[in-house]
Amino acid sequence: KAGVTQTPRYLIKTRGQQVTLSCSPISGHRSVSWYQQTPGQGLQFLFEYFSETQRNKGNFPGRFSGRQFSNSRSEMNVSTLELGDSALYLCASSHGTRRTDTQYFGPGTRLTVL
Amino acid sequence: AQTVTQSQPEMSVQEAETVTLSCTYDTSESDYYLFWYKQPPSRQMILVIRQEAYKQQNATENRFSVNFQKAAKSFSLKISDSQLGDAAMYFCAQFQLNNAGNMLTFGGGTRLMVKP
Repeated sequence: KAGVTQTPRYLIKTRGQQVTLSCSPISGHRSVSWYQQTPGQGLQFLFEYFSETQRNKGNFPGRFSGRQFSNSRSEMNVSTLELGDSALYLCASSHGTRRTDTQYFGPGTRLTVL
Repeated sequence: AQTVTQSQPEMSVQEAETVTLSCTYDTSESDYYLFWYKQPPSRQMILVIRQEAYKQQNATENRFSVNFQKAAKSFSLKISDSQLGDAAMYFCAQFQLNNAGNMLTFGGGTRLMVKP
């Protein structure tokens, strides 16, 4: 079974631009979660999508948004980029319905904002 | 709110020896799961081991085992017969699936160095 894939792997943007990151979950998984990893703040939960609906959201400004498609693929968008948005963005997929759920991570997208 | 704390920013171990990484957590939930993830320099987050809170038996996966002390809210990871490939960041995480959806709360991580 193929793992979680994320595209692109690396991105360089300038302040004020917007960016879209993509995540394809493991086949059969309906939940996709996004996390931001920075040296200062560590790993922080952004949001979770399940069956095309945002089910849970972390404490991030509205510039961070996402969506999920009917095939469970998810995209994350960051508008009006700031220098502090430079980070590794990780997505994780899981079934989303089982009490014994386990999240499996993709390789991440490294975003650099100049 | 859930919190997860890893008090050891860095640890080192000699190859073939045993090392224990510490983790404490805080939650008001009774039903939850705990995980250890490994993040090597490639940055890919890899699942190491999982523990269900309702199980008293400590989880084991080959050279990796946990010491789960529910009353103390402690969840340490023991790596036996350490190998060079074990060098990585290790993250302890707590997971809850509830009506608000699921999410992982991570600790700050422990960098493990393995000396040959």
